[in-house]
Amino acid sequence: QVHLQESGPGLVKPSETLSLTCAVSGVSLTSYSWSWVRQPPGKGLQWIGVIHYSGTTTYDPSLKSRVTISVDKSNNQLSLRLTSVTAADTAVYFCAKDAGLEYWGQGALVTVSS
Amino acid sequence: DIQMTQSPSSLSAAVGDRVTITCRASQRIANSLAWFQHIPGKAPKALIYVASSLRGGVPSRFSGSGYGTDFTLTISGLQPEDFATYYCLQYNSFPYTFGQGTKLEIK
Repeated sequence: QVHLQESGPGLVKPSETLSLTCAVSGVSLTSYSWSWVRQPPGKGLQWIGVIHYSGTTTYDPSLKSRVTISVDKSNNQLSLRLTSVTAADTAVYFCAKDAGLEYWGQGALVTVSS
Repeated sequence: DIQMTQSPSSLSAAVGDRVTITCRASQRIANSLAWFQHIPGKAPKALIYVASSLRGGVPSRFSGSGYGTDFTLTISGLQPEDFATYYCLQYNSFPYTFGQGTKLEIK
Protein backbone atom coordinates (compact mmCIF):
# COMPACT_ATOMS: atom_id res chain seq x y z
CA GLN A 1 0.00 0.00 0.00
CA VAL A 2 1.40 3.35 -1.05
CA HIS A 3 1.75 5.91 1.74
CA LEU A 4 3.13 9.44 1.58
CA GLN A 5 3.82 11.67 4.56
CA GLU A 6 5.02 15.27 4.38
CA SER A 7 7.06 16.83 7.18
CA GLY A 8 8.98 20.00 7.90
CA PRO A 9 8.92 23.26 9.83
CA GLY A 10 5.46 24.71 10.21
CA LEU A 11 6.78 28.28 10.41
CA VAL A 12 9.31 29.96 8.13
CA LYS A 13 10.42 33.60 8.24
CA PRO A 14 10.06 35.84 5.19
CA SER A 15 13.06 35.72 2.82
CA GLU A 16 14.19 32.37 4.23
CA THR A 17 14.01 28.92 2.63
CA LEU A 18 11.11 26.49 3.01
CA SER A 19 12.23 22.87 3.13
CA LEU A 20 9.88 19.91 3.21
CA THR A 21 10.38 16.18 2.90
CA CYS A 22 7.94 13.50 1.84
CA ALA A 23 8.52 10.01 3.19
CA VAL A 24 7.36 7.38 0.72
CA SER A 25 6.52 3.81 1.63
CA GLY A 26 5.06 0.91 -0.28
CA VAL A 27 6.78 1.74 -3.55
CA SER A 28 10.27 2.54 -4.77
CA LEU A 29 10.90 6.21 -5.41
CA THR A 30 13.06 5.43 -8.42
CA SER A 31 10.28 3.74 -10.36
CA TYR A 32 7.97 6.73 -10.71
CA SER A 33 7.68 10.45 -11.13
CA TRP A 34 6.79 12.53 -8.06
CA SER A 35 4.96 15.83 -7.74
CA TRP A 36 4.38 18.68 -5.31
CA VAL A 37 1.14 20.66 -5.09
CA ARG A 38 0.12 23.40 -2.66
CA GLN A 39 -3.11 24.98 -1.41
CA PRO A 40 -3.03 28.51 0.03
CA PRO A 41 -5.58 29.15 2.79
CA GLY A 42 -9.07 29.44 1.37
CA LYS A 43 -7.89 28.85 -2.19
CA GLY A 44 -7.65 26.01 -4.66
CA LEU A 45 -4.84 23.65 -5.60
CA GLN A 46 -1.70 24.92 -7.31
CA TRP A 47 0.71 22.64 -9.14
CA ILE A 48 4.33 23.28 -8.14
CA GLY A 49 6.33 20.81 -10.16
CA VAL A 50 7.40 17.25 -10.86
CA ILE A 51 10.59 15.21 -10.77
CA HIS A 52 10.44 12.62 -13.51
CA TYR A 53 11.69 9.09 -12.97
CA SER A 54 14.65 10.05 -15.17
CA GLY A 55 15.65 12.63 -12.55
CA THR A 56 14.80 15.65 -14.66
CA THR A 57 12.46 18.27 -13.23
CA THR A 58 9.70 20.52 -14.53
CA TYR A 59 8.41 23.46 -12.51
CA ASP A 60 5.61 25.98 -12.66
CA PRO A 61 7.11 29.03 -14.38
CA SER A 62 5.93 31.34 -11.61
CA LEU A 63 8.04 29.41 -9.08
CA LYS A 64 10.83 28.12 -11.28
CA SER A 65 13.51 30.55 -10.10
CA ARG A 66 12.93 29.62 -6.44
CA VAL A 67 11.98 25.93 -6.34
CA THR A 68 13.94 22.68 -6.29
CA ILE A 69 12.49 19.17 -6.19
CA SER A 70 14.83 16.29 -5.50
CA VAL A 71 14.84 12.68 -4.37
CA ASP A 72 16.89 10.89 -1.74
CA LYS A 73 16.97 7.32 -3.01
CA SER A 74 18.72 5.92 0.04
CA ASN A 75 15.92 7.08 2.33
CA ASN A 76 13.08 6.81 -0.20
CA GLN A 77 12.23 10.46 0.38
CA LEU A 78 11.18 13.32 -1.84
CA SER A 79 12.20 16.90 -1.04
CA LEU A 80 10.96 20.39 -1.81
CA ARG A 81 12.96 23.59 -1.37
CA LEU A 82 11.48 27.02 -1.95
CA THR A 83 13.77 30.00 -1.46
CA SER A 84 13.06 33.65 -0.64
CA VAL A 85 9.58 32.92 0.71
CA THR A 86 6.92 35.53 1.32
CA ALA A 87 3.49 35.45 2.95
CA ALA A 88 2.10 34.40 -0.44
CA ASP A 89 3.88 31.06 0.00
CA THR A 90 1.82 30.22 3.09
CA ALA A 91 -0.02 27.05 2.15
CA VAL A 92 -0.62 23.38 2.78
CA TYR A 93 2.00 21.53 0.74
CA PHE A 94 1.22 18.08 -0.67
CA CYS A 95 3.45 15.48 -2.27
CA ALA A 96 1.91 13.07 -4.76
CA LYS A 97 2.88 9.99 -6.75
CA ASP A 98 3.19 10.31 -10.50
CA ALA A 99 2.67 13.25 -12.75
CA GLY A 100 -0.98 12.19 -12.67
CA LEU A 101 -1.12 12.52 -8.85
CA GLU A 102 -2.36 8.98 -8.20
CA TYR A 103 -1.69 9.04 -4.44
CA TRP A 104 -1.28 12.05 -2.15
CA GLY A 105 0.01 12.76 1.32
CA GLN A 106 -2.19 14.50 3.90
CA GLY A 107 -0.24 17.70 3.49
CA ALA A 108 1.90 19.93 5.68
CA LEU A 109 0.90 23.46 6.61
CA VAL A 110 3.69 25.99 6.24
CA THR A 111 3.15 29.52 7.48
CA VAL A 112 5.47 32.31 6.38
CA SER A 113 5.60 34.93 9.09
CA SER A 114 8.12 36.83 11.17
CA ASP B 1 -0.62 28.08 -19.78
CA ILE B 2 -3.85 26.13 -20.21
CA GLN B 3 -6.66 27.60 -18.15
CA MET B 4 -9.19 25.22 -16.63
CA THR B 5 -12.61 26.74 -15.97
CA GLN B 6 -14.60 24.63 -13.55
CA SER B 7 -18.29 25.10 -12.76
CA PRO B 8 -20.20 25.49 -10.62
CA SER B 9 -17.96 26.81 -7.83
CA SER B 10 -20.40 25.43 -5.30
CA LEU B 11 -23.31 23.04 -5.41
CA SER B 12 -25.95 22.03 -2.90
CA ALA B 13 -27.49 18.56 -3.21
CA ALA B 14 -29.20 15.86 -1.18
CA VAL B 15 -28.20 12.28 -0.51
CA GLY B 16 -29.31 10.21 -3.47
CA ASP B 17 -29.13 13.06 -5.97
CA ARG B 18 -27.21 12.99 -9.24
CA VAL B 19 -24.80 15.87 -9.75
CA THR B 20 -22.59 16.98 -12.62
CA ILE B 21 -19.49 19.15 -12.49
CA THR B 22 -17.88 20.52 -15.63
CA CYS B 23 -14.39 21.62 -16.62
CA ARG B 24 -13.54 23.49 -19.78
CA ALA B 25 -9.97 23.79 -21.03
CA SER B 26 -8.73 26.89 -22.83
CA GLN B 27 -7.02 24.64 -25.41
CA ARG B 28 -7.58 21.10 -26.56
CA ILE B 29 -6.06 18.60 -24.14
CA ALA B 30 -7.19 15.30 -25.71
CA ASN B 31 -8.20 13.13 -22.73
CA SER B 32 -5.43 14.27 -20.37
CA LEU B 33 -7.84 15.16 -17.60
CA ALA B 34 -8.09 13.91 -14.03
CA TRP B 35 -10.60 14.46 -11.22
CA PHE B 36 -9.85 14.63 -7.50
CA GLN B 37 -11.89 14.71 -4.29
CA HIS B 38 -10.64 16.67 -1.30
CA ILE B 39 -11.96 16.75 2.23
CA PRO B 40 -10.12 19.34 4.37
CA GLY B 41 -7.49 17.79 6.60
CA LYS B 42 -7.33 14.64 4.51
CA ALA B 43 -5.20 13.57 1.58
CA PRO B 44 -6.82 14.43 -1.74
CA LYS B 45 -8.10 11.34 -3.51
CA ALA B 46 -7.68 10.60 -7.19
CA LEU B 47 -11.00 9.55 -8.74
CA ILE B 48 -10.61 9.52 -12.50
CA TYR B 49 -7.79 9.70 -15.04
CA VAL B 50 -7.67 9.99 -18.83
CA ALA B 51 -11.05 11.70 -18.53
CA SER B 52 -13.15 8.60 -17.97
CA SER B 53 -11.16 5.80 -16.31
CA LEU B 54 -11.96 5.11 -12.68
CA ARG B 55 -9.05 4.76 -10.29
CA GLY B 56 -8.93 1.51 -8.34
CA GLY B 57 -11.27 1.39 -5.37
CA VAL B 58 -13.40 4.34 -6.53
CA PRO B 59 -17.12 3.56 -6.40
CA SER B 60 -18.90 3.13 -9.72
CA ARG B 61 -21.30 5.99 -8.91
CA PHE B 62 -18.47 8.26 -10.06
CA SER B 63 -18.05 8.67 -13.80
CA GLY B 64 -16.20 10.99 -16.11
CA SER B 65 -16.54 11.93 -19.74
CA GLY B 66 -15.25 14.34 -22.33
CA TYR B 67 -12.50 14.91 -24.85
CA GLY B 68 -10.75 17.91 -26.23
CA THR B 69 -11.92 20.91 -24.22
CA ASP B 70 -15.11 19.92 -22.38
CA PHE B 71 -15.25 17.43 -19.53
CA THR B 72 -17.73 16.32 -16.89
CA LEU B 73 -17.67 14.49 -13.59
CA THR B 74 -20.96 12.88 -12.61
CA ILE B 75 -21.86 11.40 -9.25
CA SER B 76 -24.98 9.25 -9.41
CA GLY B 77 -26.69 8.60 -6.10
CA LEU B 78 -24.80 10.89 -3.72
CA GLN B 79 -23.62 9.35 -0.48
CA PRO B 80 -22.84 11.25 2.74
CA GLU B 81 -19.10 10.67 2.25
CA ASP B 82 -19.21 12.38 -1.17
CA PHE B 83 -19.67 15.88 0.25
CA ALA B 84 -16.29 17.42 -0.44
CA THR B 85 -14.51 19.71 -2.86
CA TYR B 86 -13.77 18.39 -6.35
CA TYR B 87 -10.99 19.53 -8.68
CA CYS B 88 -10.11 18.81 -12.26
CA LEU B 89 -6.51 18.78 -13.49
CA GLN B 90 -5.15 18.97 -17.01
CA TYR B 91 -1.90 17.10 -17.55
CA ASN B 92 -1.63 17.47 -21.30
CA SER B 93 1.11 20.09 -21.10
CA PHE B 94 3.25 21.84 -18.53
CA PRO B 95 2.56 23.63 -16.34
CA TYR B 96 -0.23 21.35 -15.21
CA THR B 97 -3.24 23.36 -14.09
CA PHE B 98 -6.21 22.75 -11.81
CA GLY B 99 -9.75 24.00 -12.04
CA GLN B 100 -10.86 26.36 -9.29
CA GLY B 101 -12.74 23.64 -7.44
CA THR B 102 -16.40 22.79 -6.79
CA LYS B 103 -17.58 22.60 -3.21
CA LEU B 104 -20.37 20.05 -2.91
CA GLU B 105 -22.53 20.70 0.13
CA ILE B 106 -25.45 18.90 1.71
CA LYS B 107 -28.86 20.40 1.03
